[in-house]
Amino acid sequence: GESVGLHLPTLSVQEGDNSIINCAYSNSASDYFIWYKQESGKGPQFIIDIRSNMDKRQGQRVTVLLNKTVKHLSLQIAATQPGDSAVYFCAENPYNFNKFYFGSGTKLNVKP
Amino acid sequence: NAGVTQTPKFQVLKTGQSMTLQCAQDMNHNSMYWYRQDPGMGLRLIYYSASEGTTDKGEVPNGYNVSRLNKREFSLRLESAAPSQTSVYFCASWAEAGVTYGYTFGSGTRLTVV
Repeated sequence: GESVGLHLPTLSVQEGDNSIINCAYSNSASDYFIWYKQESGKGPQFIIDIRSNMDKRQGQRVTVLLNKTVKHLSLQIAATQPGDSAVYFCAENPYNFNKFYFGSGTKLNVKP
Repeated sequence: NAGVTQTPKFQVLKTGQSMTLQCAQDMNHNSMYWYRQDPGMGLRLIYYSASEGTTDKGEVPNGYNVSRLNKREFSLRLESAAPSQTSVYFCASWAEAGVTYGYTFGSGTRLTVV
């Protein structure tokens, strides 16, 4: 399968700080990327997506940045809250627009 | 609106037993998926169905079979369970354009094979 990896398996941040979660993808043909959040005992939940014709996309408190030159994605969470504690996955869509490959995830711990 | 519903939520099987994991979505999505998630790992695609009447293998299809019963339902069957199939199984569906992007996941089935 395709390689979608994360640089940091665990990230601890103080409540109120900004968080940055990174992801490297391997296939330069990938044209669609998604970030998911998975809370303990639950299924992954869509956070934000970005297509390869964009460098940046903003949502509510979240921003995704895409650097196609180095095949890198990042998820920025502003003013991190305890409810943001979860595992975050990036996923890429390399060949078939109906199928995604997931990275192993980064666990975000938010300290009060 | 229930989204994606999976049953059962928990299951313990003995090696060699068979079972079927059920999945249903009420969002009129065309595509449906089965993933497995092992501890500390990401999601790996087992099988998927791009539309009613079609199914395709994913990354780890061995030991599994699927049935797209109709547009709403996509089941995953383990014919002869093995300890290596101990995992959390997620069903997902997808509608691409217009309303929402990305998968909608069910809450998962935690399967233990002893």
